[in-house]
Amino acid sequence: KQEVTQIPAALSVPEGENLVLNCSFTDSAIYNLQWFRQDPGKGLTSLLLIQSSQREQTSGRLNASLDKSSGRSTLYIAASQPGDSATYLCAASTSGTYKYIFGTGTRLKVLA
Amino acid sequence: KAGVTQTPRYLIKTRGQQVTLSCSPISGHRSVSWYQQTPGQGLQFLFEYFSETQRNKGNFPGRFSGRQFSNSRSEMNVSTLELGDSALYLCASSPSAGRGGTDTQYFGPGTRLTVL
Repeated sequence: KQEVTQIPAALSVPEGENLVLNCSFTDSAIYNLQWFRQDPGKGLTSLLLIQSSQREQTSGRLNASLDKSSGRSTLYIAASQPGDSATYLCAASTSGTYKYIFGTGTRLKVLA
Repeated sequence: KAGVTQTPRYLIKTRGQQVTLSCSPISGHRSVSWYQQTPGQGLQFLFEYFSETQRNKGNFPGRFSGRQFSNSRSEMNVSTLELGDSALYLCASSPSAGRGGTDTQYFGPGTRLTVL
């Protein structure tokens, strides 16, 4: 049974800092892993998706990596801005299950 | 392309009533998933449909049901509402070609259900 954990639960950093968000999963037979952003009271916005055969994906200031053997994914945010403040969620989809299992998220606050 | 739309955006019901939520996926997407989000349990998977067939179902009681129509639009129904059903219900669509897993999911804004 797939379980996804995110640490830390909350993070507060000054503007301009580079930061790393962590995601751990228990079943390495994943189909893909996706990172999302959620603003308060809103739906989820997809940030990056990493296929099981890939090691990382990049979009602008964001870089996500995947290490299936250790059951870990990281989301790297470069030069953080106040507009990056949100909850970041990772979700793992196990092969053949057609569903995502979500972590509980990391609530990020970037201080101006 | 228009995004995923969900109606209604807000609902207030009383215990014992039933409710139907609607989701229109992105044009061309054939997979629709439903999730329940609460402060205590986070995001939990309800079910996924592809070409009108339910491919997976989460650990929710039978009061929660869904269906998908030939145009890929989906509805979920909750009967005999309980206070604990108060949540944000999120729908996601995916282009999923059914090759063994779920591709990128695009989420709608959600329906906020309050049960009194």
